[in-house]
Amino acid sequence: DAGVIQSPRHEVTEMGQEVTLRCKPISGHDYLFWYRQTMMRGLELLIYFNNNVPIDDSGMPEDRFSAKMPNASFSTLKIQPSEPRDSAVYFCASSLSVNYGYTFGSGTRLTVV
Amino acid sequence: QQQVKQSPQSLIVQKGGISIINCAYENTAFDYFPWYQQFPGKGPALLIAIRPDVSEKKEGRFTISFNKSAKQFSLHIMDSQPGDSATYFCAALTSNTGKLIFGQGTTLQVKP
Repeated sequence: DAGVIQSPRHEVTEMGQEVTLRCKPISGHDYLFWYRQTMMRGLELLIYFNNNVPIDDSGMPEDRFSAKMPNASFSTLKIQPSEPRDSAVYFCASSLSVNYGYTFGSGTRLTVV
Repeated sequence: QQQVKQSPQSLIVQKGGISIINCAYENTAFDYFPWYQQFPGKGPALLIAIRPDVSEKKEGRFTISFNKSAKQFSLHIMDSQPGDSATYFCAALTSNTGKLIFGQGTTLQVKP
């Protein structure tokens, strides 16, 4: 099992550009989570999906953020337009069930200049 | 009420010593309490977890102590090793929401 796969590992973009982060969860995991990690705010849950359906997006900071899960093996987190304050490490995680251990990917380090 | 408060922010322990990290919560609906370990450049990895119907869980050198009445839980790392140097996060979740809430993290340094 390759674990949760995220791409790209690093992304540097200019303010105002669109950024798309990608995630492939572990096969068979029904839950997928997007987290953001910063020094100031720690690990924040942005949105999570169950069986490809968004369940709770209350953590999405602004309308500039959107997430999709078109099928069980792929999810995207898009920021449009990006701003310097969006700079953070974005993690995707998946889980068999809601109160089971989450497996995190290695993250995407986003820098918006 | 959704917060999980973690302390200390950083911890330095000598090799062979005991590392203790504490967490407190307010929401009595939390029913799953995992601890995660994170190394630089990596995502958090599940270390050990406990449910509120038990007061202690041990896996190797790692032990969770859980005090339901005080709404506190802690991680004890026995015989701490330099390889344990990492950031540790406590977390809590309610099954009916599925939202895993993390503490702020503790950076542990184990000196040889």
